[in-house]
Amino acid sequence: DADVTQTPRNRITKTGKRIMLECSQTKGHDRMYWYRQDPGLGLRLIYYSFDVKDINKGEISDGYSVSRQAQAKFSLSLESAIPNQTALYFCATSDGGRRTGELFFGEGSRLTVL
Amino acid sequence: RKEVEQDPGPFNVPEGATVAFNCTYSNSASQSFFWYRQDCRKEPKLLMSVYSSGNEDGRFTAQLNRASQYISLLIRDSKLSDSATYLCVVIPYTNAGKSTFGDGTTLTVKP
Repeated sequence: DADVTQTPRNRITKTGKRIMLECSQTKGHDRMYWYRQDPGLGLRLIYYSFDVKDINKGEISDGYSVSRQAQAKFSLSLESAIPNQTALYFCATSDGGRRTGELFFGEGSRLTVL
Repeated sequence: RKEVEQDPGPFNVPEGATVAFNCTYSNSASQSFFWYRQDCRKEPKLLMSVYSSGNEDGRFTAQLNRASQYISLLIRDSKLSDSATYLCVVIPYTNAGKSTFGDGTTLTVKP
């Protein structure tokens, strides 16, 4: 089983619909992240959380919200999806120790907004 | 100007070739540096960290030049399986948890 699990893996929805992407991890890491990747581009940070009570905006948080339900769970919501939110979304985790830079990614959630 | 810039390529090289990628970063207060590998439609995976003294892992060598604000990745004796996109990642001192990714360099190794 994957250490970082994302659901759903693929989703097609319509403009205006509310969408939730879920992420759970078994690595015991405190830090969790949501990234977005568009074709030919690197990953851009949407939100990140260093522990259950900590939520921080990344560089492209507009139109998104998150919830850290537990140490192991971090969900991303699109309240009213729009076509330019069509992208590949990755959840990632890291520990808060010496190796804070090493990110462990889920397999990605491919979202299409029509 | 982007915080982290990479030559997107593509780099098309024959098997056995040596290829090098550079990545420049704009924030001089950057703390940590990494190279990730991403296969098509898959999640990125850590290839190697980049240390100030440079480091080597088999056919892969990473270097850091703080004065010129760039890191490099050298791949020797390229294999078909090295074909992927290589992402440069930089973390600033001010926010150790906030990684900034380059857009990636695509490598295709041909027989």
